[in-house]
Amino acid sequence: EAGVVQSPRYKIIEKKQPVAFWCNPISGHNTLYWYRQNLGQGPELLIRYENEEAVDDSQLPKDRFSAERLKGVDSTLKIQPAELGDSAVYLCASSLGLAGGFYNEQFFGPGTRLTVL
Amino acid sequence: GQSLEQPSEVTAVEGAIVQINCTYQTSGFYGLSWYQQHDGGAPTFLSYNALDGLEETGRFSSFLSRSDSYGYLLLQELQMKDSASYFCAVRDRTGSSYKLIFGSGTRLLVRP
Repeated sequence: EAGVVQSPRYKIIEKKQPVAFWCNPISGHNTLYWYRQNLGQGPELLIRYENEEAVDDSQLPKDRFSAERLKGVDSTLKIQPAELGDSAVYLCASSLGLAGGFYNEQFFGPGTRLTVL
Repeated sequence: GQSLEQPSEVTAVEGAIVQINCTYQTSGFYGLSWYQQHDGGAPTFLSYNALDGLEETGRFSSFLSRSDSYGYLLLQELQMKDSASYFCAVRDRTGSSYKLIFGSGTRLLVRP
């Protein structure tokens, strides 16, 4: 069974340019997460979806970041315009069922390494 | 607020045992997870402790003491491939919402 798929793996852009990341979760996983990981740090949650609904986006900088998960399957995270401080690895993860109640292991994709020049 | 503390780096010899500690402070603690991440790779799940005590999975074990807000990951019979970063992550509950809050990670270097 395929794992979480992300593309592109690497992206280099100039500041003020837009950029988009795509994620396809493991088949059957209702919950999808976007994380940002700065160098030498742990992943930090940006947004969590349960099916099509964004249920936790409190950490998403809404002035420049947006996300969507149409049809409750794959998802896109967009930054417009990008800033120097956005350079990081953007990780997508998915898990079975709803994130509440019993614990469901999160499966991570390989991430997109973004460099903003 | 929420915080997790773990050592930034640990070095050990192949075949040895190493323990990576994690202390946490959070208002809605529900459990402690451990993830492994090789350079350039995806974090992968190792273990989850919701209750006090030791959980063993092969060469890896994880311990939790809720009263001490403390846990550790124990790696036995270290192999070169265990060189990676290890993250503790608190499963935090706010209302009906759960999320993982990750520590900054411990970089483990296994030497021959």
